[in-house]
Amino acid sequence: DVKVTQSSRYLVKRTGEKVFLECVQDMDHENMFWYRQDPGLGLRLIYFSYDVKMKEKGDIPEGYSVSREKKERFSLILESASTNQTSMYLCASSPGALSGANVLTFGAGSRLTVL
Amino acid sequence: AQSVAQPEDQVNVAEGNPLTVKCTYSVSGNPYLFWYVQYPNRGLQFLLKYITGDNLVKGSYGFEAEFNKSQTSFHLKKPSALVSDSALYFCAVRDIWKQAGTALIFGKGTTLSVSS
Repeated sequence: DVKVTQSSRYLVKRTGEKVFLECVQDMDHENMFWYRQDPGLGLRLIYFSYDVKMKEKGDIPEGYSVSREKKERFSLILESASTNQTSMYLCASSPGALSGANVLTFGAGSRLTVL
Repeated sequence: AQSVAQPEDQVNVAEGNPLTVKCTYSVSGNPYLFWYVQYPNRGLQFLLKYITGDNLVKGSYGFEAEFNKSQTSFHLKKPSALVSDSALYFCAVRDIWKQAGTALIFGKGTTLSVSS
């Protein structure tokens, strides 16, 4: 019954490495999101996409990029990982705003440690 | 600027007692408000939402929330807490400035601890 799947639950990378976090949803949702979660800071929006190949910056996009080549898949890319990117990354999806549903469905999260 | 505040980092309650997790918001226009819960090492799960209509909203697992426009609050409540309710709770508001239309701004979270 898993609807939003994040490919890696735990990753350990070294400073300067390129990191890919993958997210797949099977609900045919238009919107997809990447958030990062840090203790005491809650969830902060990194990037989002409202259609294939369409992407927009969230509130903390620096150091990140994204790719959405297919409707079901949304990838987060760290071009050169840094220690301050150690965090829990959460992917989410939702129907488009016109549907009125508004509820985000989250994946289980990917915990990234950068050494 | 839009924002959500959860004034308590932690709420402690005994099993069987009522619980309240507080949330206040600041938005332009009519807010869309949400509560999510996160169990350890899990993603967030949707509990309930307020879009319009009745100020008292009922959701999953016996939770409810009351929308109060004059106090700009959306507190989460449950009449009788269970130990299994222990988790991290997030309040959120729709970000009207993001083109997706469903992006959320989250509070910092409140840890609920229910003792037996």
